[in-house]
Amino acid sequence: GESVGLHLPTLSVQEGDNSIINCAYSNSASDYFIWYKQESGKGPQFIIDIRSNMDKRQGQRVTVLLNKTVKHLSLQIAATQPGDSAVYFCAENIMGGGADGLTFGKGTHLIIQP
Amino acid sequence: GAVVSQHPSRVICKSGTSVKIECRSLDFQATTMFWYRQFPKQSLMLMATSNEGSKATYEQGVEKDKFLINHASLTLSTLTVTSAHPEDSSFYICSARDHLWYGYTFGSGTRLTVV
Repeated sequence: GESVGLHLPTLSVQEGDNSIINCAYSNSASDYFIWYKQESGKGPQFIIDIRSNMDKRQGQRVTVLLNKTVKHLSLQIAATQPGDSAVYFCAENIMGGGADGLTFGKGTHLIIQP
Repeated sequence: GAVVSQHPSRVICKSGTSVKIECRSLDFQATTMFWYRQFPKQSLMLMATSNEGSKATYEQGVEKDKFLINHASLTLSTLTVTSAHPEDSSFYICSARDHLWYGYTFGSGTRLTVV
């Protein structure tokens, strides 16, 4: 699905706290999901991915949860640090589906308060 | 890890001129490259997909004659914005996928300003 809207949702979190960023994806046929971090003026940076045969995957300080029933994806960041301040996007794709490009969600601006 | 280099990072051009943006995969072969456009405070929108040695596939609403894409080698794709107008001002980002694994690596983006 297309991502529309002129304003990014903002999540403000105290440094050291955990943060949860949510994403509702659009295509029930999507089977590959990625979270990206984008800092101002830069390209997206890969954080973590998950395939549809899983419902949870953990990385360093990050966890992605996938609920296919309600088409919902979340990114949990533990013990947030100032460097975590950025815009976070979820992206979806159908592996081998022919349309190879990623469809991005609207994005969430995460602000870490000192 | 996989690295994608995008150049230039910023460009200002006059209305009516053309601008070329390069996207290179530095340490892997990219059979498929993607071009996205991002307006301020918005998400990335896929413009086109290019496969090495073949014509690009454009998303609905993207003018193929205005946004010329060339993917002549496994490590280089170019996007040329022809007859640029102020409304083409945006952040253009390329992405490349390694032919050996299913992963997407993004370039650092190009800020295009048309005056």
